[in-house]
Amino acid sequence: GIQVEQSPPDLILQEGANSTLRCNFSDSVNNLQWFHQNPWGQLINLFYIPSGTKQNGRLSATTVATERYSLLYISSSQTTDSGVYFCAVNRDDKIIFGKGTRLHILP
Amino acid sequence: DAGVTQSPTHLIKTRGQHVTLRCSPISGHKSVSWYQQVLGQGPQFIFQYYEKEERGRGNFPDRFSARQFPNYSSELNVNALLLGDSALYLCASSSGSQKGYEQYFGPGTRLTVT
Repeated sequence: GIQVEQSPPDLILQEGANSTLRCNFSDSVNNLQWFHQNPWGQLINLFYIPSGTKQNGRLSATTVATERYSLLYISSSQTTDSGVYFCAVNRDDKIIFGKGTRLHILP
Repeated sequence: DAGVTQSPTHLIKTRGQHVTLRCSPISGHKSVSWYQQVLGQGPQFIFQYYEKEERGRGNFPDRFSARQFPNYSSELNVNALLLGDSALYLCASSSGSQKGYEQYFGPGTRLTVT
């Protein structure tokens, strides 16, 4: 089946820094989503982005479907950005999540 | 508008018991999917239902079953619980079948099997 790999697995940054999270997938997909999981387990939708570029405030995402990767950019990090970031792809009526990137923003 | 709701929030069961978890989708959404998330891992797809029919199934044993009701709410049933079934169970809803539709997640049910 399709493989989804996220990098880096862990990232520690100082408040105000910028970061780039990467999601690679091994085959073509129907769609791709980025989520932020807060400490209570809630998955918060960030982007629905099967292709192209989207921006929402300090966050932006780019998916290059032909090259099978997506990037999530976080600018001017805040402590509230801490948590785990997941990408998830849809293929053949199944959604496959990566293992996530754990982001720690230090004050 | 209310988001996806799940009940109960937490649950403790003993090995060998049965459990039923419930999910209500966002109003107007016809698709519900279930996921299992063990500590330190990403969510694993269990089932997807659309218009009361099963549309997708992940690699889970037959002890796991689900159904969707006419009001589009859903139940996940797990029989003969094992210690390894301890996890956060997440429900997601979308307006259509999975292909090409954005999913929205509920807060989850945290199941502990002792």
